[in-house]
Amino acid sequence: KNEVEQSPQNLTAQEGEFITINCSYSVGISALHWLQQHPGGGIVSLFMLSSGKKKHGRLIATINIQEKHSSLHITASHPRDSAVYICAGLDTGNQFYFGTGTSLTVIP
Amino acid sequence: DSGVTQTPKHLITATGQRVTLRCSPRSGDLSVYWYQQSLDQGLQFLIQYYNGEERAKGNILERFSAQQFPDLHSELNLSSLELGDSALYFCASTPDGGAYEQYFGPGTRLTVT
Repeated sequence: KNEVEQSPQNLTAQEGEFITINCSYSVGISALHWLQQHPGGGIVSLFMLSSGKKKHGRLIATINIQEKHSSLHITASHPRDSAVYICAGLDTGNQFYFGTGTSLTVIP
Repeated sequence: DSGVTQTPKHLITATGQRVTLRCSPRSGDLSVYWYQQSLDQGLQFLIQYYNGEERAKGNILERFSAQQFPDLHSELNLSSLELGDSALYFCASTPDGGAYEQYFGPGTRLTVT
């Protein structure tokens, strides 16, 4: 069993829909990262959070430490949001545990 | 552009060979992370350096080694290459060794034939 589980694995949405990607982890972590990987392969760090909620434009990330769960929300989705979204937990020993990613396709 | 550079972009080599991947962090960043992304394993953390010293070690094979130089650039050395080492290798940098958003380089695609 992976230390970090993401759901869904694949997601197809219509442009404008509200999207939620979930990440659950079984290890103790000090921070959680959300990454975006575009089809060309480049990786962008979207958020790093250790508690509460962060917002950047149409993207919102939340984390519940007690429940060991984080969510990434995309409001008013757009085809350019099509990418693989990866969550990664960082433990206190600076070890990273990666989810397997959620492949998102937004259809115009 | 993240400010992190990696060279080369692509590398094709044969089994048993040795290669060196290079990473230059963002200006001012002291910490460098190395990751491997293969089709069957996904992203894996290999190793972290902070200001020239190894800070954390992940799933890095004994055939692999890394170092960070005084000018803060880092090199990942892969030796006795096997077909299974074919992957994308990313480095990322942060201002220091703590938990920060990471800035990723464009990656080096290694193909072992």
